[in-house]
Amino acid sequence: AQSVTQLGSHVSVSEGALVLLRCNYSSSVPPYLFWYVQYPNQGLQLLLKYTSAATLVKGINGFEAEFKKSETSFHLTKPSAHMSDAAEYFCAVSPYGSSNTGKLIFGQGTTLQVKP
Amino acid sequence: DAMVIQNPRYQVTQFGKPVTLSCSQTLNHNVMYWYQQKSSQAPKLLFHYYDKDFNNEADTPDNFQSRRPNTSFCFLDIRSPGLGDAAMYLCATSRDGLGQYFGPGTRLTVL
Repeated sequence: AQSVTQLGSHVSVSEGALVLLRCNYSSSVPPYLFWYVQYPNQGLQLLLKYTSAATLVKGINGFEAEFKKSETSFHLTKPSAHMSDAAEYFCAVSPYGSSNTGKLIFGQGTTLQVKP
Repeated sequence: DAMVIQNPRYQVTQFGKPVTLSCSQTLNHNVMYWYQQKSSQAPKLLFHYYDKDFNNEADTPDNFQSRRPNTSFCFLDIRSPGLGDAAMYLCATSRDGLGQYFGPGTRLTVL
């Protein structure tokens, strides 16, 4: 069965420091991978997606993620944290590859805290 | 701007009183999803429509129903809300599964 594991339910960084949120997946077929951000009382916003093109994916708000098949990882990074980055982050996999339904399996989420 | 809209943003209902949540989209996406999200948890898929085809998740209670009268609109009906149904309900859309786009959610309170 496909699954997603986000290492660390809470991550705290100082403003201006590197942000690294970890995501590992298991999938028997090449997956589509996604990172979403959720602010309090809001829906989820798509940050970036990997759909079997370039392995380094750039997203919105300065975030990027690298697909590493050998490590089954899709970690999210940002060189310099901003206070506005404080939110909940979800990694998700679409385990059906090219399936049109696009059902997602979510990780449990990581809360990012940014300290001034 | 193309978007996913959910109404209302906040809904209060009484135990056992039916409630309907609304979702509309201007993205012209063919797939629409309904999720339930409880505090500090990931969203849980309830069901989705691929065009007009309805797909229910195996563990979605019968208390939850959905309607999609046309491409743009989708409704979530909770026939007899219980206290355990208090949650954020998220609507999302996609085209061919290449990423889902979420609405702002409806926060449901059950008294």
